[in-house]
Amino acid sequence: NAGVTQTPKFQVLKTGQSMTLQCAQDMNHNSMYWYRQDPGMGLRLIYYSASEGTTDKGEVPNGYNVSRLNKREFSLRLESAAPSQTSVYFCASSEALLAGGGEQYFGPGTRLTVT
Amino acid sequence: GNSVTQMEGPVTLSEEAFLTINCTYTATGYPSLFWYVQYPGEGLQLLLKATKADDKGSNKGFEATYRKETTSFHLEKGSVQVSDSAVYFCALRGRSYGKLTFGQGTILTVHP
Repeated sequence: NAGVTQTPKFQVLKTGQSMTLQCAQDMNHNSMYWYRQDPGMGLRLIYYSASEGTTDKGEVPNGYNVSRLNKREFSLRLESAAPSQTSVYFCASSEALLAGGGEQYFGPGTRLTVT
Repeated sequence: GNSVTQMEGPVTLSEEAFLTINCTYTATGYPSLFWYVQYPGEGLQLLLKATKADDKGSNKGFEATYRKETTSFHLEKGSVQVSDSAVYFCALRGRSYGKLTFGQGTILTVHP
């Protein structure tokens, strides 16, 4: 049981290049999320997928696109990378909204630098 | 909208000292509240949670009580260890699709 996995762990891009960050979970969760983590700002939600086949914008979606490929996988794409997208990116998953306050499980992160 | 404010860090303590990290929130309705911990080079892990007023979450010697009257969820530990050195995030979850709103994080360093 690997939980939430992310690839790659590290990436350096030049301005204007594109790339896709991959995320997969093996917990049969319905909901998945992409966050970015910047110093002094906590984590901010980029996009989320409440269930397979649906995606919605979060707090900071500009410059990103997502694909919920199937129930397990949720990818994040940068079409034209900018230095402002230098950050650590975390994927997370959770069961669908529960009255008990469902927990989100996080992957280990991808550290992206755009030069 | 929802927001979470944590005490500014970094916090530096000696081993066995008492720890408090303050967290206050603004939210509509009745959110669930969480503390997450991030050890160096790793992702976030849930430390504890509380889902209604006056609930106390606890784990690994850490505690936090959901105080609706003061809109607070302060994290405490009676005796910290070097292994507690990490970044601690307070977060709340509103009622929409499990989205979490995070505080800015507090860096804790514990010296022997």
